[in-house]
Amino acid sequence: AQSVTQPDIHITVSEGASLELRCNYSYGATPYLFWYVQSPGQGLQLLLKYFSGDTLVQGIKGFEAEFKRSQSSFNLRKPSVHWSDAAEYFCAAASGGYQKVTFGTGTKLQVIP
Amino acid sequence: EAGVTQFPSHSVIEKGQTVTLRCDPISGHDNLYWYRRVMGKEIKFLLHFVKESKQDESGMPNNRFLAERTGGTYSTLKVQPAELEDSGVYFCASSQLAGGPNEQFFGPGTRLTVL
Repeated sequence: AQSVTQPDIHITVSEGASLELRCNYSYGATPYLFWYVQSPGQGLQLLLKYFSGDTLVQGIKGFEAEFKRSQSSFNLRKPSVHWSDAAEYFCAAASGGYQKVTFGTGTKLQVIP
Repeated sequence: EAGVTQFPSHSVIEKGQTVTLRCDPISGHDNLYWYRRVMGKEIKFLLHFVKESKQDESGMPNNRFLAERTGGTYSTLKVQPAELEDSGVYFCASSQLAGGPNEQFFGPGTRLTVL
Protein backbone atom coordinates (compact mmCIF):
# COMPACT_ATOMS: atom_id res chain seq x y z
CA ALA A 1 0.00 0.00 0.00
CA GLN A 2 1.12 3.55 -0.64
CA SER A 3 2.32 5.33 2.47
CA VAL A 4 4.28 8.31 3.73
CA THR A 5 6.16 8.13 7.01
CA GLN A 6 7.30 10.98 9.18
CA PRO A 7 9.16 9.35 12.05
CA ASP A 8 9.36 12.45 14.24
CA ILE A 9 6.10 13.54 15.83
CA HIS A 10 7.58 16.50 17.65
CA ILE A 11 10.87 18.37 17.20
CA THR A 12 12.25 21.26 19.23
CA VAL A 13 15.02 23.47 17.90
CA SER A 14 16.59 26.71 19.01
CA GLU A 15 16.05 29.81 16.94
CA GLY A 16 18.91 30.15 14.47
CA ALA A 17 19.71 26.45 14.49
CA SER A 18 19.46 24.27 11.43
CA LEU A 19 16.48 22.00 10.86
CA GLU A 20 15.91 18.70 9.11
CA LEU A 21 12.54 16.99 9.05
CA ARG A 22 12.52 13.42 7.84
CA CYS A 23 10.15 11.84 5.37
CA ASN A 24 10.11 8.41 3.75
CA TYR A 25 7.64 7.15 1.20
CA SER A 26 6.55 3.77 -0.05
CA TYR A 27 5.09 3.80 -3.54
CA GLY A 28 5.21 1.50 -6.55
CA ALA A 29 6.92 4.16 -8.63
CA THR A 30 8.45 7.50 -7.78
CA PRO A 31 5.54 9.68 -6.74
CA TYR A 32 5.12 13.40 -6.83
CA LEU A 33 6.33 14.67 -3.45
CA PHE A 34 5.29 17.66 -1.39
CA TRP A 35 5.89 19.42 1.88
CA TYR A 36 3.04 21.40 3.41
CA VAL A 37 3.01 23.57 6.50
CA GLN A 38 0.09 24.37 8.75
CA SER A 39 0.43 27.26 11.16
CA PRO A 40 -2.03 27.54 14.05
CA GLY A 41 -5.46 28.57 12.77
CA GLN A 42 -4.33 28.44 9.16
CA GLY A 43 -4.85 26.09 6.26
CA LEU A 44 -2.23 23.92 4.59
CA GLN A 45 0.34 25.89 2.63
CA LEU A 46 2.60 24.29 0.07
CA LEU A 47 6.28 24.80 0.87
CA LEU A 48 7.74 22.96 -2.09
CA LYS A 49 7.15 20.10 -4.50
CA TYR A 50 9.14 17.58 -6.51
CA PHE A 51 7.86 16.23 -9.79
CA SER A 52 11.06 15.39 -11.65
CA GLY A 53 14.50 16.79 -12.51
CA ASP A 54 16.85 18.35 -10.02
CA THR A 55 16.68 16.38 -6.80
CA LEU A 56 17.32 19.43 -4.63
CA VAL A 57 14.18 21.51 -4.56
CA GLN A 58 13.95 25.06 -3.31
CA GLY A 59 10.77 26.28 -1.70
CA ILE A 60 9.31 29.26 0.01
CA LYS A 61 10.40 30.70 3.36
CA GLY A 62 13.98 29.48 2.88
CA PHE A 63 13.13 25.78 2.91
CA GLU A 64 14.61 23.15 0.65
CA ALA A 65 14.16 19.41 0.27
CA GLU A 66 16.27 16.69 -1.26
CA PHE A 67 14.83 13.71 -3.08
CA LYS A 68 16.87 10.55 -2.64
CA ARG A 69 15.54 7.68 -4.69
CA SER A 70 17.86 5.09 -3.15
CA GLN A 71 16.55 5.90 0.32
CA SER A 72 12.94 6.65 -0.69
CA SER A 73 13.33 9.88 1.24
CA PHE A 74 12.38 13.51 0.80
CA ASN A 75 13.76 15.35 3.82
CA LEU A 76 13.02 19.00 4.45
CA ARG A 77 15.78 21.34 5.56
CA LYS A 78 16.31 24.90 6.61
CA PRO A 79 19.73 26.30 7.54
CA SER A 80 18.50 28.75 10.18
CA VAL A 81 15.12 28.47 11.86
CA HIS A 82 13.04 31.51 12.80
CA TRP A 83 10.49 31.64 15.60
CA SER A 84 7.76 32.07 12.96
CA ASP A 85 8.58 28.62 11.58
CA ALA A 86 6.87 27.00 14.55
CA ALA A 87 4.07 25.00 12.94
CA GLU A 88 3.12 21.51 11.88
CA TYR A 89 4.80 20.14 8.77
CA PHE A 90 3.37 17.47 6.52
CA CYS A 91 5.17 15.41 3.95
CA ALA A 92 2.88 14.15 1.21
CA ALA A 93 2.89 12.19 -2.01
CA ALA A 94 0.68 11.57 -5.00
CA SER A 95 1.01 8.97 -7.72
CA GLY A 96 -0.24 11.22 -10.49
CA GLY A 97 -0.99 14.80 -11.33
CA TYR A 98 -4.61 14.65 -10.32
CA GLN A 99 -4.50 11.84 -7.85
CA LYS A 100 -5.31 11.93 -4.19
CA VAL A 101 -2.54 13.06 -1.91
CA THR A 102 -1.29 10.72 0.79
CA PHE A 103 -0.03 12.50 3.88
CA GLY A 104 2.35 11.60 6.64
CA THR A 105 1.22 12.03 10.22
CA GLY A 106 2.92 15.40 10.54
CA THR A 107 5.81 16.78 12.58
CA LYS A 108 5.18 19.56 15.06
CA LEU A 109 8.04 22.00 15.22
CA GLN A 110 8.66 24.02 18.33
CA VAL A 111 11.19 26.85 18.19
CA ILE A 112 12.74 28.06 21.43
CA PRO A 113 14.53 31.38 21.89
CA GLU B 1 -7.26 35.77 -6.54
CA ALA B 2 -9.32 34.25 -3.75
CA GLY B 3 -8.15 30.94 -2.35
CA VAL B 4 -10.18 27.92 -1.38
CA THR B 5 -12.78 28.87 1.19
CA GLN B 6 -14.64 26.64 3.60
CA PHE B 7 -17.67 27.24 5.74
CA PRO B 8 -18.17 27.04 8.63
CA SER B 9 -14.75 27.27 10.21
CA HIS B 10 -15.99 25.41 13.27
CA SER B 11 -19.09 23.34 13.97
CA VAL B 12 -20.17 21.74 17.23
CA ILE B 13 -23.09 19.33 17.04
CA GLU B 14 -24.54 16.50 19.04
CA LYS B 15 -24.40 12.88 18.07
CA GLY B 16 -27.23 12.03 15.73
CA GLN B 17 -27.53 15.50 14.25
CA THR B 18 -26.81 16.48 10.67
CA VAL B 19 -24.07 18.83 9.53
CA THR B 20 -23.28 20.21 6.10
CA LEU B 21 -19.86 21.53 5.25
CA ARG B 22 -19.28 23.76 2.26
CA CYS B 23 -16.24 24.29 0.07
CA ASP B 24 -15.74 26.93 -2.59
CA PRO B 25 -12.76 26.09 -4.79
CA ILE B 26 -10.57 28.52 -6.63
CA SER B 27 -12.40 29.82 -9.65
CA GLY B 28 -11.68 27.72 -12.71
CA HIS B 29 -10.43 24.69 -10.79
CA ASP B 30 -12.23 21.62 -12.03
CA ASN B 31 -10.65 19.23 -9.53
CA LEU B 32 -12.04 19.36 -6.02
CA TYR B 33 -10.96 17.10 -3.16
CA TRP B 34 -12.13 16.46 0.38
CA TYR B 35 -9.78 15.27 3.10
CA ARG B 36 -10.19 14.67 6.81
CA ARG B 37 -7.87 14.68 9.77
CA VAL B 38 -9.06 12.86 12.82
CA MET B 39 -7.35 13.93 16.04
CA GLY B 40 -3.75 12.80 16.21
CA LYS B 41 -3.82 10.96 12.91
CA GLU B 42 -2.80 11.70 9.36
CA ILE B 43 -4.82 13.69 6.88
CA LYS B 44 -6.79 11.19 4.83
CA PHE B 45 -8.36 11.47 1.41
CA LEU B 46 -12.14 11.22 1.22
CA LEU B 47 -13.09 11.89 -2.38
CA HIS B 48 -12.30 13.66 -5.62
CA PHE B 49 -14.61 15.50 -8.01
CA VAL B 50 -13.83 16.39 -11.58
CA LYS B 51 -16.30 19.11 -12.31
CA GLU B 52 -19.59 17.69 -11.05
CA SER B 53 -18.62 14.03 -11.34
CA LYS B 54 -17.20 11.87 -8.58
CA GLN B 55 -13.87 10.60 -9.87
CA ASP B 56 -12.79 8.70 -6.78
CA GLU B 57 -14.75 8.24 -3.58
CA SER B 58 -12.71 5.39 -2.19
CA GLY B 59 -11.94 7.26 1.02
CA MET B 60 -15.50 7.93 2.11
CA PRO B 61 -15.86 6.13 5.44
CA ASN B 62 -19.48 5.02 5.17
CA ASN B 63 -22.88 5.93 3.78
CA ARG B 64 -23.48 8.55 6.45
CA PHE B 65 -21.29 10.83 4.34
CA LEU B 66 -22.69 12.40 1.18
CA ALA B 67 -20.74 14.76 -1.04
CA GLU B 68 -22.19 16.78 -3.87
CA ARG B 69 -20.91 19.28 -6.37
CA THR B 70 -23.89 20.50 -8.31
CA GLY B 71 -22.94 22.54 -11.36
CA GLY B 72 -19.27 21.81 -10.87
CA THR B 73 -18.64 24.82 -8.66
CA TYR B 74 -18.90 24.64 -4.89
CA SER B 75 -19.19 21.36 -3.03
CA THR B 76 -20.99 20.24 0.10
CA LEU B 77 -20.21 17.37 2.42
CA LYS B 78 -23.11 16.22 4.56
CA VAL B 79 -22.77 13.96 7.56
CA GLN B 80 -26.05 12.37 8.62
CA PRO B 81 -26.35 11.23 11.33
CA ALA B 82 -23.10 12.38 12.89
CA GLU B 83 -21.21 10.04 15.22
CA LEU B 84 -18.51 10.81 17.78
CA GLU B 85 -15.78 9.39 15.54
CA ASP B 86 -16.63 11.92 12.82
CA SER B 87 -14.96 14.66 14.85
CA GLY B 88 -11.94 16.13 13.14
CA VAL B 89 -10.84 18.75 10.67
CA TYR B 90 -12.25 18.52 7.16
CA PHE B 91 -10.12 20.04 4.44
CA CYS B 92 -11.10 20.88 0.92
CA ALA B 93 -8.60 21.33 -1.90
CA SER B 94 -8.82 22.27 -5.55
CA SER B 95 -6.56 22.14 -8.58
CA GLN B 96 -6.61 22.85 -12.27
CA LEU B 97 -7.50 20.08 -14.65
CA ALA B 98 -5.21 20.76 -17.57
CA GLY B 99 -1.48 21.12 -17.97
CA GLY B 100 0.13 18.15 -16.28
CA PRO B 101 0.78 17.64 -12.56
CA ASN B 102 -0.88 20.36 -10.59
CA GLU B 103 -0.63 21.58 -7.06
CA GLN B 104 -3.65 21.13 -4.86
CA PHE B 105 -4.55 24.32 -3.00
CA PHE B 106 -6.04 23.70 0.40
CA GLY B 107 -8.65 25.59 2.32
CA PRO B 108 -8.37 26.43 6.03
CA GLY B 109 -10.51 23.50 7.05
CA THR B 110 -13.70 23.03 9.04
CA ARG B 111 -13.24 21.75 12.56
CA LEU B 112 -16.15 19.45 13.38
CA THR B 113 -16.81 18.46 16.96
CA VAL B 114 -19.45 15.84 17.65
CA LEU B 115 -20.52 15.62 21.29
